[in-house]
Amino acid sequence: EAQVTQNPRYLITVTGKKLTVTCSQNMNHEYMSWYRQDPGLGLRQIYYSMNVEVTDKGDVPEGYKVSRKEKRNFPLILESPSPNQTSLYFCASSSWTGRDTEAFFGQGTRLTVV
Amino acid sequence: TQLLEQSPQFLSIQEGENLTVYCNSSSVFSSLQWYRQEPGEGPVLLVTVVTGGEVKKLKRLTFQFGDARKDSSLHITAAQPGDTGLYLCAGIAGNMLTFGGGTRLMVKP
Repeated sequence: EAQVTQNPRYLITVTGKKLTVTCSQNMNHEYMSWYRQDPGLGLRQIYYSMNVEVTDKGDVPEGYKVSRKEKRNFPLILESPSPNQTSLYFCASSSWTGRDTEAFFGQGTRLTVV
Repeated sequence: TQLLEQSPQFLSIQEGENLTVYCNSSSVFSSLQWYRQEPGEGPVLLVTVVTGGEVKKLKRLTFQFGDARKDSSLHITAAQPGDTGLYLCAGIAGNMLTFGGGTRLMVKP
């Protein structure tokens, strides 16, 4: 089954404790991205990657890091989480074809930073 | 940053009513998409419109892309409780997919 898998689904952590949210896709997609979703703000793009070893900042990259060492994996790293990073995070992948691109999303990771 | 503004943010209607959701921007997009998101799930693509003035229909849902490629609308005819959910528009420009703030629709039986 084609899917995007995020782990964990839920995470509660303390300020400053480094964490990683994993994302894996089995569709051989070149394009992967991370979004955060906050009430009234929709989905805001954090980082995206057009291919292995190619990453670019989205609209809200501050406080986040990513890496793309393999095509299927695109982890999101919070080196020193802060309460304002409490949010619902989504990973997405697509076979980037320009304007016909369809993004496939994971089920989300709800992160709470206390 | 290219912004997409959706209106209304919230909509509560009775089964059988019609509704329209709007997605507006000052930026031009190569295409506009509409996604639907259920609680506890990620968004799922409903449609992509790529040509200015294009109209696409999916059963009771009608999607339109503005002539200037800056705006789009979603019209639902005879809404049903199963249409309840969060509707998100998204614009593609360059290598980025930018989402609007979403419209939360509730259809009461």
